[in-house]
This record gives sequence, C-alpha cells and structure tokens, in this order.
Amino acid sequence: NAGVTQTPKFRVLKTGQSMTLLCAQDMNHEYMYWYRQDPGMGLRLIHYSVGEGTTAKGEVPDGYNVSRLKKQNFLLGLESAAPSQTSVYFCASSYGLLAGPEGDTQYFGPGTRLTVL
Amino acid sequence: AQTVTQSQPEMSVQEAETVTLSCTYDTSESDYYLFWYKQPPSRQMILVIRQEAYKQQNATENRFSVNFQKAAKSFSLKISDSQLGDAAMYFCAYRSPLGEGETSGSRLTFGEGTQLTVNP
Repeated sequence: NAGVTQTPKFRVLKTGQSMTLLCAQDMNHEYMYWYRQDPGMGLRLIHYSVGEGTTAKGEVPDGYNVSRLKKQNFLLGLESAAPSQTSVYFCASSYGLLAGPEGDTQYFGPGTRLTVL
Repeated sequence: AQTVTQSQPEMSVQEAETVTLSCTYDTSESDYYLFWYKQPPSRQMILVIRQEAYKQQNATENRFSVNFQKAAKSFSLKISDSQLGDAAMYFCAYRSPLGEGETSGSRLTFGEGTQLTVNP
C-alpha cells in the first residue's frame, strides 16, 4: 500500500499560470480532502469529496476547483495562480463515517510545496 | 464556528522526560471528536491519538496520552519518555458530529500547531 500520494512534490508558477495537483489513494477511501498550510496557521480545508463524482467547498475554496472522477483520485486545480496561493498543499483521505467509529481518521499525503511568483 | 487554540507555539523537552502540549477549543456541541496529529520535518501528517467526547476515559497510545477536560474544553497531549523521533510540529484538531447526512463530510478544524524540540 502506497497510502496517499501527491504529485508533484514541488512546483513554481508565475502569476496567472494554471496547474493541477493530483492526489491518489489506494485504501478504497470514500472521503478525500484538500488542505493548505501556511506559516503560523493550522491546515485549512479547501475542498472535499464524500464520494466519486461529488465535491463540496471547504473553508477557503476561492481560486481553486476540484474534480473526483475516479474514487481513488482527487484533483485540485488552480486556473489563474496568484502569489496568495503560495503554500503547502496536503491531500487526505478517510473511510467515512458509515465505516464505523474510526472512519473519520484522516490519512495524509506528503504535501506539495507550491510557490507563485 | 468551532475554533481550536494551541497557546504554545514552541516547546522543548529533554530526552526521556515528559512533556505536555496544550489545546483548547470552543464549541456549543455536546458530541464531537478530537485529534492530535504529528508533522515531522518530512511534512507528512501522522495521526497520534483520537478522543471521542462522549467517552470519559482518556485515550492512550503507548507513550502518548491525553487529558480531556470536557467542561473546560481542554484537550492536552502528554508525551512520556520523550524520544528524539518525537520532535515535530503537533496539531490539535476538532471534528463536529455530522449534521445532515453524510454530505457534510468529516471536516477537521486545526489549531496553529506547537513545535516540539527534543534535546539529547
């Protein structure tokens, strides 16, 4: 089991460029999440998905879009990158609460460090 | 909205000693879940311990234990026999119970983190 993997690990963009971050999990998890982590702050939820074909907004969704076409993959897109989106991005997944008491435990990927110049 | 506060940006401990990291939260809900996550220099977030608010017994995982004070809305993490590998950023997190069905997901609210240094 690879767990949760993220591609790429590092990326530098210029303002206005677009890119897609890929998250993949091999644990058959229903729920997937995208967070961003900024210095001095905890992780903040950008978007999440409770199943294939579904997405929902989190705490800081502006400037991002997501898609969950396959259960194992969750894509985060930046259509027109801005310096304020410089951050470390984490993907996470979980079984979901219907799986029982431990279903809400989230498993995180290694993160993607994104710099927007 | 729920908030999670970690008032200690940095803590240090001598190897083999015990250290306690503080976390407080604000909520009007009676049933919820609390977590401690560890983020080592590799940046990957690792679950340390999980506590269900309806359980009075404090959760323990080997050298890690919590002191859950529901009335005080406090959730501290105690690390016993500290090891060099415990050095990391530690995040406290809160999860609400589900509201309407599964569509709300299991969203976590994180604190700002505490950077723990373990001195040999």
